[in-house]
Formats: sequence, C-alpha cells, structure tokens
Amino acid sequence: DSGVTQTPKHLITATGQRVTLRCSPRSGDLSVYWYQQSLDQGLQFLIQYYNGEERAKGNILERFSAQQFPDLHSELNLSSLELGDSALYFCASSPQDDRGDNEQFFGPGTRLTVL
Amino acid sequence: EDQVTQSPEALRLQEGESSSLNCSYTVSGLRGLFWYRQDPGKGPEFLFTLYSAGEEKEKERLKATLTKKESFLHITAPKPEDSATYLCAVRSIYGGATNKLIFGTGTLLAVQP
Repeated sequence: DSGVTQTPKHLITATGQRVTLRCSPRSGDLSVYWYQQSLDQGLQFLIQYYNGEERAKGNILERFSAQQFPDLHSELNLSSLELGDSALYFCASSPQDDRGDNEQFFGPGTRLTVL
Repeated sequence: EDQVTQSPEALRLQEGESSSLNCSYTVSGLRGLFWYRQDPGKGPEFLFTLYSAGEEKEKERLKATLTKKESFLHITAPKPEDSATYLCAVRSIYGGATNKLIFGTGTLLAVQP
C-alpha cells in the first residue's frame, strides 16, 4: 500500500458525459501527478500540482482539467468523454517539487470505461 | 525528445533462471532513472532510483544498474511471485518546474514454477 488513495476504483459511463476522479496523496506529500495508462501508449503524464498550484502540463486534452484543494487532495475532471478516453488513470504523489529525491508513489488507479 | 525504450516486451523464465531487462533512454540531462513494478490492474510500485552512471542498487532478487545510455534490471533466481510488468522511467534536469516521469512501455515478465 503506497498511501495514495483513489476513488472510484471503476467507472463506467457513456460518450459525451463528464466524470470526476479523486485522489488523496500520501500524508505530507505536496505534489500530485496525474497519469493516463492505455493499452497502446503506456503511462502518459497529464498534469502536476504542487501545494495547490498547477506546475506542469503534459499530454492533457482541453476536455480534461484538474485542481488541487487546500487539503491537498486532487480531482481530475474529464468531460465530453469519447471512447478513446477509456483507460486507467493513476494519481501519484511525492513530497517535494524540484529538489532532492523525488520518487513518485502511485495510487491503485481508476479504471474508466466509456461506452 | 526524451524517450525510453524497454526490451524485451515480454520475457518468460523458469523459476531460478536468471536474466536481465533492458531500458535504453535518450534524455537531455538525466536527473534520475526509476524502476517500477506493476501488477495487473494495480498502480506501479516503486523499486529503485538511479542517478549517475555506475550506480547500482539491490533489493532481494533484483539489482538495477545504470550506464550513460541504458539501465539493466537483473533478476537473480526469480520466483513466480516476481511475475509482473517492470516499468522504467526517466526525469530530465531540463524539466523545469516539473518532475514528470517519462515511462517506457514495460517488460512483461512471467516466471513459470
């Protein structure tokens, strides 16, 4: 158990819908990262937040957005869902931002299925 | 562009048969190379971080090594419980205000009893 929690574990929805994925980082970790894992592309970085502020964007679609709240939990919002958005979505956390050791610890993931 | 390539894509071993997994990387200044283990339907589990060429780290039957162009994950006398996908990732010193990891697609290891 990494200490990172994600809910829900599974999500089944229809095209065009909107969903919210939730992540609680390890106690004391300030950075939260979101990754998407699909069968054909492996783990792809989406976005990073540090202490409530967006720090970096990766291959995140405009239909997707995220935020980190004062209690450091994070939410990833996916809208206008398409079949191709079906994937595993992982949240990871780490204690620091730019300095020192920075292992990222991953949550168990949310499996999103868009029908 | 920073890139990570892992080989082989899949590897089947007999219990006790040692082998190595390869991770080749191209990165504009390596800030860290990371190995993770991922079981089906679960999140990646952190194994090792390597920072400079020549560095080695060990954990039970696993040993990770690093050169300027690649990393190896050596598995000595594997057991069936070592079966998993092993992921390699890198972080660049030019990443700016981000510690994003660039992942390879992994090696699926199956250890037969």
